[in-house]
Amino acid sequence: GQSLEQPSEVTAVEGAIVQINCTYQTSGFYGLSWYQQHDGGAPTFLSYNALDGLEETGRFSSFLSRSDSYGYLLLQELQMKDSASYFCAVRVGGSYIPTFGRGTSLIVHP
Amino acid sequence: SQTIHQWPATLVQPVGSPLSLECTVEGTSNPNLYWYRQAAGRGLQLLFYSVGIGQISSEVPQNLSASRPQDRQFILSSKKLLLSDSGFYLCAWSTQETQYFGPGTRLLVL
Repeated sequence: GQSLEQPSEVTAVEGAIVQINCTYQTSGFYGLSWYQQHDGGAPTFLSYNALDGLEETGRFSSFLSRSDSYGYLLLQELQMKDSASYFCAVRVGGSYIPTFGRGTSLIVHP
Repeated sequence: SQTIHQWPATLVQPVGSPLSLECTVEGTSNPNLYWYRQAAGRGLQLLFYSVGIGQISSEVPQNLSASRPQDRQFILSSKKLLLSDSGFYLCAWSTQETQYFGPGTRLLVL
């Protein structure tokens, strides 16, 4: 089976940069995704990495190292609205089912 | 563009009552469909997934069932609700890389 580890909580101040790490153990790795979920809302897709390197989308970037079974989500110029839970998820080849991490609660302070 | 609908948004049901939650997807054909449950402050638990009409796979044995009577319709049911069935129920469809979630149904069993 697959397993993922991510910190349960991260705190930061407005305007700062924060990195949320995700390590995984899996066979047949296909890709790593990141999702954001605000309190009371549904998860929304942020980014996807299948190859090593950094993918940038505005203030958010996602990094993957397949050799290290490791990825991270980088949030820059933090805003109060970035306070949410962030989930990493892995997909293995030939499976329709992603495996989600337990989520990281990001708290942004003024 | 693709859209996923879920209803109702919230539901309060007595223990032992039946349940029917509906999910429909627009803008795509033959989607992979999923039902998840999320307890308060917790991660996503996959309940069922479907790769086609009438094809249902159960991930967690429990008193819930799912059906897919049409290509873009996915229904979650129970004959008798338990207190432990309370939670946030999310329907999703997926591409190879990404899952797209509906707005969710918040169920409280009393």
